[in-house]
Amino acid sequence: DTVLTQTPLSLSVTPGQPASISCKSRQSLLHSDGKTYLFWYLQKPGQSPELLIYEVFSRFSGVPDRFSGSGSGTDFTLKISRVEAEDAGVYYCMQGTHLPFTFGPGTKVDIK
Amino acid sequence: EVQLVESGGGLVQPGGSLRLSCVASGFAFSSSAMSWVRQAPGEGLEWVSAISGNAGNTYYADSVKGRFTMSRDKSKNTLYLQMNSLRAEDTAVYYCAKDSSPNYWGQGTLVTVSS
Repeated sequence: DTVLTQTPLSLSVTPGQPASISCKSRQSLLHSDGKTYLFWYLQKPGQSPELLIYEVFSRFSGVPDRFSGSGSGTDFTLKISRVEAEDAGVYYCMQGTHLPFTFGPGTKVDIK
Repeated sequence: EVQLVESGGGLVQPGGSLRLSCVASGFAFSSSAMSWVRQAPGEGLEWVSAISGNAGNTYYADSVKGRFTMSRDKSKNTLYLQMNSLRAEDTAVYYCAKDSSPNYWGQGTLVTVSS
């Protein structure tokens, strides 16, 4: 299975400050079709996960532009330019390139 | 508006069976890939299974392969997850989601496997 590691596993951020989460894969997530199926999700407390970023850097419908994704191959990053209180929760990366699809362990973001 | 409503969770004994349902609306269910993802209490997300759009090919995590079966009824806009030979480690909230790499999620249904 494709193992994803996330760093850090927890993060405490002051509102208005930036935040960054890394997701690394043990194998390249570049699919034979030329796309890279790396996704970012946020699960707010007591809620279902919601998609933030798909295929590395594309923001999903309704996602604020303070969220951005980057990376290629095996190394990926989610950045929040200016954290807001509503951004608290657990962030997961997920790969959809290699079956079985897998999630990272999650990064808990706390707002100070 | 995309809506996914799961049902069918509950308490079941080890070795027992359960069938989860997910009623979909607001999108072209017949041609959409769908997924099941689970989350054990206090734990992270685990991809369980997916079904392709038109062809209906199914894919499973190794942890459930041979025990779980995913299917769909296009006439009812409903997705199913038949779970057999349940184990304590299958205890989790099960989410139905649109697409093989989920973009919309349901609210989840809790499955508890315990004697």
